[in-house]
Amino acid sequence: QSVLTQPPSASGTPGQRVTISCSGRNSNIGSHSVRWYQQFPGTAPKLFIYRDSQRPSGVPDRFSGSKSGTSASLAISGLQSEDEADYYCAAWDDSLNGLLFGGGTKLTVL
Amino acid sequence: EVQLVESGGGLVQPGGSLRLSCVASGFTFSTYWVHWVRQAPGKGLVWVSRISSDGSNTKYADSVKGRFTISRDNAKNTLYLQMHSLRADDTAVYYCARPLPETKNNLDVWGQGTTVIVSS
Repeated sequence: QSVLTQPPSASGTPGQRVTISCSGRNSNIGSHSVRWYQQFPGTAPKLFIYRDSQRPSGVPDRFSGSKSGTSASLAISGLQSEDEADYYCAAWDDSLNGLLFGGGTKLTVL
Repeated sequence: EVQLVESGGGLVQPGGSLRLSCVASGFTFSTYWVHWVRQAPGKGLVWVSRISSDGSNTKYADSVKGRFTISRDNAKNTLYLQMHSLRADDTAVYYCARPLPETKNNLDVWGQGTTVIVSS
């Protein structure tokens, strides 16, 4: 069981706004920045958010990240069918002295 | 083109060993920290190990500490993961990954992965 807790699933209809949460501890999210990754089945993950809220070039501004205390969120506005994928949060953890990934959230576009 | 290409995966018996390689191209490999991340079938991403740009600093997940060794040859633009005492729960796709420039853990470039199956 991952120390970064994500809901196993989320869903929304096209055009809707969806939020995926990531709950951690002082040793990880509370002390370090959060990343978010998108992954399609059978492919490598893609970095979508880093430093809590920064988007790498090429990531649509429909995607936004935020953090408060020991929790973080990924928000997707104007949901599109191509957003249907698995999303993972990640943060460095001082207790484990390693990079920690959340369990992942499968986003379904209804 | 910035690229990472893993190789070395395969079928190995429990208790066996395997060495994975990851060849980098399109960027100055020697200036980046690099990571190994794995994903068991149908499961989530799990960080395995990280090595500094000059190879002097390494870190491991508790699940592989003492069994896996990360190393690199900057002259060959290659990252390695030597795996010993393999167990069934090491079965996974293993990805090497490079962070954004001037960062250590924002994994931006990923290889396609190499599959390790530990089974008798």
